[in-house]
Amino acid sequence: DGGITQSPKYLFRKEGQNVTLSCEQNLNHDAMYWYRQDPGQGLRLIYYSQIVNDFQKGDIAEGYSVSREKKESFPLTVTSAQKNPTAFYLCASSRTIVRQETQYFGPGTRLLVL
Amino acid sequence: QQQVKQSPQSLIVQKGGIPIINCAYENTAFDYFPWYQQFPGKGPALLIAIRPDVSEKKEGRFTISFNKSAKQFSLHIMDSQPGDSATYFCAASTDPYHSGGSNYKLTFGKGTLLTVNP
Repeated sequence: DGGITQSPKYLFRKEGQNVTLSCEQNLNHDAMYWYRQDPGQGLRLIYYSQIVNDFQKGDIAEGYSVSREKKESFPLTVTSAQKNPTAFYLCASSRTIVRQETQYFGPGTRLLVL
Repeated sequence: QQQVKQSPQSLIVQKGGIPIINCAYENTAFDYFPWYQQFPGKGPALLIAIRPDVSEKKEGRFTISFNKSAKQFSLHIMDSQPGDSATYFCAASTDPYHSGGSNYKLTFGKGTLLTVNP
């Protein structure tokens, strides 16, 4: 079964702590994305990656970092610099970024601050 | 500056009704307009998409109407069912070649929470 998996489903962060959200896809997609969703808001782009070892900042990258060492994986780290991290985080992938391909979303990770 | 404005924020209809969700955009370079459906606690899924060379697209009970001159597009759900209760997001993007190379992203509206009562 092809798809995108995100883990964990819920994550709790303490003050000053960095936490990492996992995103894995087995769709053989080149492009991957991280979005943040807040209640009553649309999806805002944090980072995206066109290909392995490449990534670009989105609209709200401050306080976040990513890596893309493998095609299948695009982990997101929420650093202590992100002062308001409580949100629903969504990972997505598409076949390519060069054309307007459909983005497929994972089930999301809900991050809560203790 | 919000580039895609979506309305209403929430919508309640009876089963069989035809909810209509509207989106307006400002960037005339947008040329791809998808709609996503999201159930609670899940990720969004592509429902239907349209490009500005057509004024209407139907897929099953879902129809997008597109008005290029008004820079507006809308989603209509025919014969709505309780199972259609979800949050709907419109989005827009530009062709990467028009936006200066690889600078591509989807800009989302804020979403509409649709409730279809039985």
